[in-house]
Amino acid sequence: DGGITQSPKYLFRKEGQNVTLSCEQNLNHDAMYWYRQDPGQGLRLIYYSQIVNDFQKGDIAEGYSVSREKKESFPLTVTSAQKNPTAFYLCASSPGGRDTQYFGPGTRLTVL
Amino acid sequence: AQSVTQPDIHITVSEGASLELRCNYSYGATPYLFWYVQSPGQGLQLLLKYFSGDTLVQGIKGFEAEFKRSQSSFNLRKPSVHWSDAAEYFCAVGTFTGGGNKLTFGTGTQLKVEL
Repeated sequence: DGGITQSPKYLFRKEGQNVTLSCEQNLNHDAMYWYRQDPGQGLRLIYYSQIVNDFQKGDIAEGYSVSREKKESFPLTVTSAQKNPTAFYLCASSPGGRDTQYFGPGTRLTVL
Repeated sequence: AQSVTQPDIHITVSEGASLELRCNYSYGATPYLFWYVQSPGQGLQLLLKYFSGDTLVQGIKGFEAEFKRSQSSFNLRKPSVHWSDAAEYFCAVGTFTGGGNKLTFGTGTQLKVEL
């Protein structure tokens, strides 16, 4: 089955620890995205990547980092510099250019 | 900068009744518009999209939306709601600059369906 997988579904970390969220797609899409969702705020773009080995900051990149070493993978690291990391994180991909974004099932991160 | 407003945070309708969810956007160029639906704890599923052409767009699950440039609106409609339509609905505007494809989302409308 083609699709986008995010793991794990639930993640718990202690304050001050870095944590990496996984996003993998087998759709052969060029572009990948990370969004953060908080109640009542919709989705906000963290980082996006149009091609391998290249990525750009979105609207709320502070405290996050990404890498794009392979076309199918776009991991997101939430660093200890992120002041309020508890949220629902969604990964998306698209064929590229002016095309639809398709979303994964999300990871809920709770920092204790 | 582009923005999307969904003025209704919560809407409750009876099963079988018609539905209209409002979406207004602000964007200087021709907008690319989307409606997504999200069930609790899940990712987003695309309902429909408008890129160009016919301003009335048909989507999945019996949904449609109409693009009205003069009103900067892209309202979502369904003639008869089913209990399974209860979910959160997001409108988004797509911008494409320098090869980058970005979505700006509204804050969502939570739909409750009464049986």
